Amino acid sequence: NAGVMQNPRHLVRRRGQEARLRCSPMKGHSHVYWYRQLPEEGLKFMVYLQKENIIDESGMPKERFSAEFPKEGPSILRIQQVVRGDSAAYFCASSPRSLDGETQYFGPGTRLLVL
Amino acid sequence: GESVGLHLPTLSVQEGDNSIINCAYSNSASDYFIWYKQESGKGPQFIIDIRSNMDKRQGQRVTVLLNKTVKHLSLQIAATQPGDSAVYFCAENRDSSNTGKLIFGQGTTLQVKP
Repeated sequence: NAGVMQNPRHLVRRRGQEARLRCSPMKGHSHVYWYRQLPEEGLKFMVYLQKENIIDESGMPKERFSAEFPKEGPSILRIQQVVRGDSAAYFCASSPRSLDGETQYFGPGTRLLVL
Repeated sequence: GESVGLHLPTLSVQEGDNSIINCAYSNSASDYFIWYKQESGKGPQFIIDIRSNMDKRQGQRVTVLLNKTVKHLSLQIAATQPGDSAVYFCAENRDSSNTGKLIFGQGTTLQVKP
């Protein structure tokens, strides 16, 4: 039973390029969360999605960042025109339900480095 | 303001000793707490959780204690092993809209000395 899958594990981009991060939730999970972690810090919530719907994007920067979770395929976190401050580890988590108290299981993360 | 925070950034213990990692929260309405372990280069790994209607929960070698009076959470690890060396995060679910998003503390680094 595979866990949450993320790819790529490492991504290097130059300023101004686009970054696409993919997340495949655990089998049977239809809820996906994206978090960002800066060095030496805790994880910060970005966005919560269900299939084909964005439920809560209160943690997403208003510009350049977008997320989707299509009916088929993985969830995608997209960062356009990356800047050095976007360098961080991006983690995806999935859960079977959204009710308070439902455990979220995390993937291994994508480490983005912007040169 | 509201926050989830940890008392100490680094905890160093001898192998075989018990470890206690603490966490404070400020939102008395929070009703679900989780401890995660994160090893270098990896994603957070679920350890144990507790709901606000409980004050103690035990797992394998780990115990979580919740004191709602002083809004304090702790993780106890029995007979600490080198493999326990990692950063430990407490996380809080206090989303009034019931979307389940987690609020993480800053983390405590646990170092186990052989």
